[in-house]
Amino acid sequence: DQQVKQNSPSLSVQEGRISILNCDYTNSMFDYFLWYKKYPAEGPTFLISISSIKDKNEDGRFTVFLNKSAKHLSLHIVPSQPGDSAVYFCAATPPDTGNQFYFGTGTSLTVIP
Amino acid sequence: DAGVTQSPTHLIKTRGQQVTLRCSPKSGHDTVSWYQQALGQGPQFIFQYYEEEERQRGNFPDRFSGHQFPNYSSELNVNALLLGDSALYLCASSLGLAEIYNEQFFGPGTRLTVL
Repeated sequence: DQQVKQNSPSLSVQEGRISILNCDYTNSMFDYFLWYKKYPAEGPTFLISISSIKDKNEDGRFTVFLNKSAKHLSLHIVPSQPGDSAVYFCAATPPDTGNQFYFGTGTSLTVIP
Repeated sequence: DAGVTQSPTHLIKTRGQQVTLRCSPKSGHDTVSWYQQALGQGPQFIFQYYEEEERQRGNFPDRFSGHQFPNYSSELNVNALLLGDSALYLCASSLGLAEIYNEQFFGPGTRLTVL
């Protein structure tokens, strides 16, 4: 049962434009959400997070939006850079599970110079 | 400051064999979680160790077991290997159990191939 879904396996964007990566979840108990970035032959690295008490969190070029009623979150990257080319995973966790995260299947972002 | 390290990098086994994967957490971290990432999938939580005890477990059979040592390093053991166990096994470390959510740092993974 896939509780976190990323329905777009891949995305291509021109350098300088906005990249929007989407994620949907089914478990209404999730209260904390994260985005991870993964380069080949490396482990995922933390990018940005958001608590369910917020609907937006911004960190430099990266902004995560959370729509709890739609059980949807998105990651915006503005402006996109070639170094952003990687696989992006969204992850979510319910409370009191000790960092037990549920991951989506990932979206491969390619930023074209 | 060394990050999370895992060994070996790659491993090939045959069905029915047993395998042990190793993880050293980031300096200062005391909690280790293991994930399985099958091809084309996201990481799936296997279990988490803190204070040398299994604290949380995902939906994995008992063939998957683990251990945490006093120095916080950890092992993942898989018995009676199946073809479906072929995957990238990721170790993640963090500090303490989460009453607040603590950032996890991932290692590069061990690629296990079962033939």
